[in-house]
Amino acid sequence: EPEVTQTPSHQVTQMGQEVILRCVPISNHLYFYWYRQILGQKVEFLVSFYNNEISEKSEIFDDQFSVERPDGSNFTLKIRSTKLEDSAMYFCASSGSLGGSVLVYEQYFGPGTRLTVT
Amino acid sequence: GDSVTQMEGPVTLSEEAFLTINCTYTATGYPSLFWYVQYPGEGLQLLLKATKADDKGSNKGFEATYRKETTSFHLEKGSVQVSDSAVYFCAHAYNNNDMRFGAGTRLTVKP
Repeated sequence: EPEVTQTPSHQVTQMGQEVILRCVPISNHLYFYWYRQILGQKVEFLVSFYNNEISEKSEIFDDQFSVERPDGSNFTLKIRSTKLEDSAMYFCASSGSLGGSVLVYEQYFGPGTRLTVT
Repeated sequence: GDSVTQMEGPVTLSEEAFLTINCTYTATGYPSLFWYVQYPGEGLQLLLKATKADDKGSNKGFEATYRKETTSFHLEKGSVQVSDSAVYFCAHAYNNNDMRFGAGTRLTVKP
């Protein structure tokens, strides 16, 4: 069964450093997302991406964040200058099969990248 | 704004007990509703879904019915197992933009 993959599984970085989190969505999906989950807390929406551009973003997704789909398979989240409060689990998700009904909204999540900022 | 509210946990049950985790939502329209499960150390997995009123989603013995009149989507299972111990998230989505999650309910099942 197709699945969303994410790398690395755990990233440790120093405050102020740039990090790039990588995701490979399910190959025939059209919509891509990033969420974060601070330890033991709620899953929070960051951004959605469709047709090579951001379609929606939350107030968490400020100028320090950016997303990119550099090729036909990868979807990345970049944090330019990490802060301690960026420490969280970051989940990538994808949805919307090409050729299928775009009314099907379930998102398939990757296993997450645990980001630790020291 | 639209939101999802789940019963607070943690919930602790003995094996074979009946499970209910309440979920209610506020919405301006008719979203699709979902339950996701997060096992320890893992990502979110779709457990079940319902796309319109009175639909019942079911999977692995879990069920939830989309109740428009009470704006609810409560998760139930007749007989829980130790392996069901996880965090359960209720969610809704209107379109392929963003999904709104509840705060999550941690379930621990003891043998």
